[in-house]
Amino acid sequence: AQTVTQSQPEMSVQEAETVTLSCTYDTSESNYYLFWYKQPPSRQMILVIRQEAYKQQNATENRFSVNFQKAAKSFSLKISDSQLGDTAMYFCAFMKLTNAGNNRKLIWGLGTSLAVNP
Amino acid sequence: ETGVTQSPTHLIKTRGQQVTLRCSSQSGHNTVSWYQQALGQGPQFIFQYYREEENGRGNFPPRFSGLQFPNYSSELNVNALELDDSALYLCASSLLTGSLGETQYFGPGTRLLVL
Repeated sequence: AQTVTQSQPEMSVQEAETVTLSCTYDTSESNYYLFWYKQPPSRQMILVIRQEAYKQQNATENRFSVNFQKAAKSFSLKISDSQLGDTAMYFCAFMKLTNAGNNRKLIWGLGTSLAVNP
Repeated sequence: ETGVTQSPTHLIKTRGQQVTLRCSSQSGHNTVSWYQQALGQGPQFIFQYYREEENGRGNFPPRFSGLQFPNYSSELNVNALELDDSALYLCASSLLTGSLGETQYFGPGTRLLVL
């Protein structure tokens, strides 16, 4: 069974600074996707970034980037130039790749609450 | 392009009642997944529907059931509500194709309170 661990329940950062959120996972699978989602107080789960395990290059989306270490089973999220709107709960999630017809569920960590301070 | 929508946004029920939650998938998507998120926790997978059939189920009792319609919208039904069913229910839609992975896009959720 796969598990996802986020060891930082809460973090804070000053506006315009950089912060890194940690995530580790446990799996025996070789093909999978990893995701970071954010959940602001509005509750809607919003996709931040996706990483395919077969890609060595780390994914980036504007101010968001990941450090994917497959051998170490580590998947951290770096937020650069933090903005007040980045304040949210951040969840790391794992998806095993299977053939179509088999469900591809997300397995989630407990989340990290990030506060961006002015 | 229309995103994922859910209704209602909030719901209050009493123990033993039944509830139906609704989800409209994003345009072009063929799969709907449902998750339960208790307060302070990460979401837990309930089940997934693909082409109108249940396509996998998490560790939830049979009183949690669902449907997917030809337009790929979906319902989650919960019978005999228990206090522990109080949670945020999230619906996610995605496009399931071949052996590639998928990205799930979420609706705003339905907050259910069972008294």
